[in-house]
Amino acid sequence: DSGVTQTPKHLITATGQRVTLRCSPRSGDLSVYWYQQSLDQGLQFLIQYYNGEERAKGNILERFSAQQFPDLHSELNLSSLELGDSALYFCASSLRQDLNTEAFFGQGTRLTVV
Amino acid sequence: GENVEQHPSTLSVQEGDSAVIKCTYSDSASNYFPWYKQELGKGPQLIIDIRSNVGEKKDQRIAVTLNKTAKHFSLHITETQPEDSAVYFCAAGHTGFQKLVFGTGTRLLVSP
Repeated sequence: DSGVTQTPKHLITATGQRVTLRCSPRSGDLSVYWYQQSLDQGLQFLIQYYNGEERAKGNILERFSAQQFPDLHSELNLSSLELGDSALYFCASSLRQDLNTEAFFGQGTRLTVV
Repeated sequence: GENVEQHPSTLSVQEGDSAVIKCTYSDSASNYFPWYKQELGKGPQLIIDIRSNVGEKKDQRIAVTLNKTAKHFSLHITETQPEDSAVYFCAAGHTGFQKLVFGTGTRLLVSP
């Protein structure tokens, strides 16, 4: 158990809908990262937050947004969903905002868009 | 931006054999190279990492080598065991920034 909690584990929704994925980081970690893992693809970095502020952005679509709350949990919002958004979405957390501390990954949320 | 290529995509070995997975990166500014193991139904887990100021690092049966000139790094697993079966990802990044770029993964199957 990495200590990073993601909910829900599975999500099935229709095209055009909006969903929210939730991540609770490890106790004490201030940085949260979101990654997308599509079939036969590696992990694609989406966005990072550190202590409530956005720190880095990757290949995140405009239909997607995220935030980190004062209690440090984070939510990834996906809207106007398309079939191609079906993927595993991982959250990771680390103590610091750079790569000098290990990032621990949650078990992921499997999103299926039908 | 950074691009990481990983080979092979699948690797089958017999228990006790060695396994080698290779990655190349494109950005010469990258200085941090972690390897992750992802078991079925779980998130990736860091197994070993190397920084650009060293050429090799070992941790029991696992070793990573880095060739900065050629911009490639490799994961070596010796005396493989069935529990080593998983998908392995390499990644590259710069410690001054926050973004890791991952390879596409290698599915390792260790047969008893």
